Amino acid sequence: EIVLTQSPGTLSLSPGERVTLSCRASQTVGSNFLAWYQHKPGQAPRLLIYGSSRRATGIPDRFSGSGSETDFTLTINRLEPEDFAVYYCHQYRSSPVTFGGGTKVEIK
Amino acid sequence: QVQLVQSGAEVKKPGASVKVSCKASEYRFTSYDMHWVRQAPGQGLQWLGWIDPDSGGTYYPHNFQGRVTMTRDTSTSTVYMDLRRLKSDDTATYYCARASRVGLAPIEYWGQGTLVTVSS
Repeated sequence: EIVLTQSPGTLSLSPGERVTLSCRASQTVGSNFLAWYQHKPGQAPRLLIYGSSRRATGIPDRFSGSGSETDFTLTINRLEPEDFAVYYCHQYRSSPVTFGGGTKVEIK
Repeated sequence: QVQLVQSGAEVKKPGASVKVSCKASEYRFTSYDMHWVRQAPGQGLQWLGWIDPDSGGTYYPHNFQGRVTMTRDTSTSTVYMDLRRLKSDDTATYYCARASRVGLAPIEYWGQGTLVTVSS
């Protein structure tokens, strides 16, 4: 099983700031099988990034992803009020598919 | 537009079973695997497995084997997730979810979630 470790656990930031979230895999995921989700209370998760760096349909370009093999990053430029949420990475290279533990981005 | 509509909230006692349904529409039901993912209060996302609606084949991760069963009804485009021997830490919102495309692909479409509460 590929274990995904996200850091930090929580970030306290202000609107307009830039944020970088980290996701590290216990085994290689390659560069095509890593996704990022945004999750808000009472809603279903929303796919932001797939294939490590490809934005899903309708996702603003302030969201970007990068990385390969075992180290991945989600960057949000100029945080908007609606961006405060929990973010999860997800590998779909092999079963069992797995999720990271999440990073909460909260308002400072 | 892909739609996944789940059954309503459930309250169960420890040791009981729960069966959650997920009705799919607006796409070819048998072409895409259906996943189940849950989120316990204050916890992260946890994957429970998938079912191939075409063949009925399933895959469950080790920690759920023997306790979860996924089935489907192709006549109604509905998948079911049955979780047995419920414990209090099975209290969670359960989602059915579909990948964006056939093959190795991220989960993109989600049901609205079903809250399962396990309490004596």
